[in-house]
Amino acid sequence: AQSVTQPDIHITVSEGASLELRCNYSYGATPYLFWYVQSPGQGLQLLLKYFSGDTLVQGIKGFEAEFKRSQSSFNLRKPSVHWSDAAEYFCAVGTYTGNQFYFGTGTSLTVIP
Amino acid sequence: EADIYQTPRYLVIGTGKKITLECSQTMGHDKMYWYQQDPGMELHLIHYSYGVNSTEKGDLSSESTVSRIRTEHFPLTLESARPSHTSQYLCASSESARGNIQYFGAGTRLSVL
Repeated sequence: AQSVTQPDIHITVSEGASLELRCNYSYGATPYLFWYVQSPGQGLQLLLKYFSGDTLVQGIKGFEAEFKRSQSSFNLRKPSVHWSDAAEYFCAVGTYTGNQFYFGTGTSLTVIP
Repeated sequence: EADIYQTPRYLVIGTGKKITLECSQTMGHDKMYWYQQDPGMELHLIHYSYGVNSTEKGDLSSESTVSRIRTEHFPLTLESARPSHTSQYLCASSESARGNIQYFGAGTRLSVL
């Protein structure tokens, strides 16, 4: 069965510290992978995506993610977190045709001064 | 920026009322989706459409109905609102020819008293 797991429900980091949010997936076909961010009361904004090619992908707001097929992982990273990064982060997996699209349960990020 | 709009943003309504949540996109995307999300929780797909006159129920059972008479418009209707319908409703769209990246509206937060 296809699924997306985000093991960390909530993470707290200090402003300026590095960040890594974990995402593991289970998917039978070639996965297309996404990270979205949701600010309180808002919809989801696409941070970055991986379809093929270079396994390290760059996104908006200084985020990057690395696809590791052997570990079925697509972890999100940022070298230096800003207070404005506090939000909910969702990992998702789908197919190119888009007939199936699965979201993880999300990781809530708190940034402390 | 994605051009997908949801109205109203907030709605407080009494039990038994009929309501329609509007969703429109100006990108010409063929696919559209409705998700239900309780605060701080994961997204649950309740309806989707692959094109005009095509609608399907999602993974989460919902008493709502949808229609897709025009490509750009995908309204969701509750015939008789109940307190259990209180939630946030997110609309999204994607284009089959472009990897089906889902773009989200800002959401409608519904409260049924």
